[in-house]
Amino acid sequence: DVKVTQSSRYLVKRTGEKVFLECVQDMDHENMFWYRQDPGLGLRLIYFSYDVKMKEKGDIPEGYSVSREKKERFSLILESASTNQTSMYLCASIEDRGFYEQYFGPGTRLTVT
Amino acid sequence: AQTVTQSQPEMSVQEAETVTLSCTYDTSESDYYLFWYKQPPSRQMILVIRQEAYKQQNATENRFSVNFQKAAKSFSLKISDSQLGDAAMYFCVGGSNYKLTFGKGTLLTVNP
Repeated sequence: DVKVTQSSRYLVKRTGEKVFLECVQDMDHENMFWYRQDPGLGLRLIYFSYDVKMKEKGDIPEGYSVSREKKERFSLILESASTNQTSMYLCASIEDRGFYEQYFGPGTRLTVT
Repeated sequence: AQTVTQSQPEMSVQEAETVTLSCTYDTSESDYYLFWYKQPPSRQMILVIRQEAYKQQNATENRFSVNFQKAAKSFSLKISDSQLGDAAMYFCVGGSNYKLTFGKGTLLTVNP
């Protein structure tokens, strides 16, 4: 089974802190994604990566950056956390550019105080 | 670009009954896919069913089936013989160029 893991289930940070959210997949998938989930808004794409060191902005990239130094790991970075970034963050991966199932991690609930 | 609309924020169904969740979409792409994902209280997002837009035949997976009306841009999910474990948030999702667009979700409650 494909497994996508995220470094934390719950995280509490202070305003202005630099925050790293880590995602690791174990199936050699090329494409990885970071989403943000808020009640009543569904999931919104922040960034995605289609190869090591390659990235593209999604629908809401402002305030975020990403890093993909190794194929299995995709990190989301909040350079200076703000309260409006309090949310659920979900990582996902798919095998290639064909349209197969996206496999999701369990999510990280981030609270910025 | 795609938009996905779920007009039912909440639905409820009696155990063993059938329920249909509605979804409409809009897209300028000629090649796209449609999905239903469920997210139970555990928060793990799980694929329920997948439909390729170029296929006319409606997809089915055990108790789950879709009614795909391409001209009307409609993609509804039917759950037959509902079970308590079906209680979850259901998302209608459109995909093209390996990007997904999510609807806002429908919270399904299953009453015993």
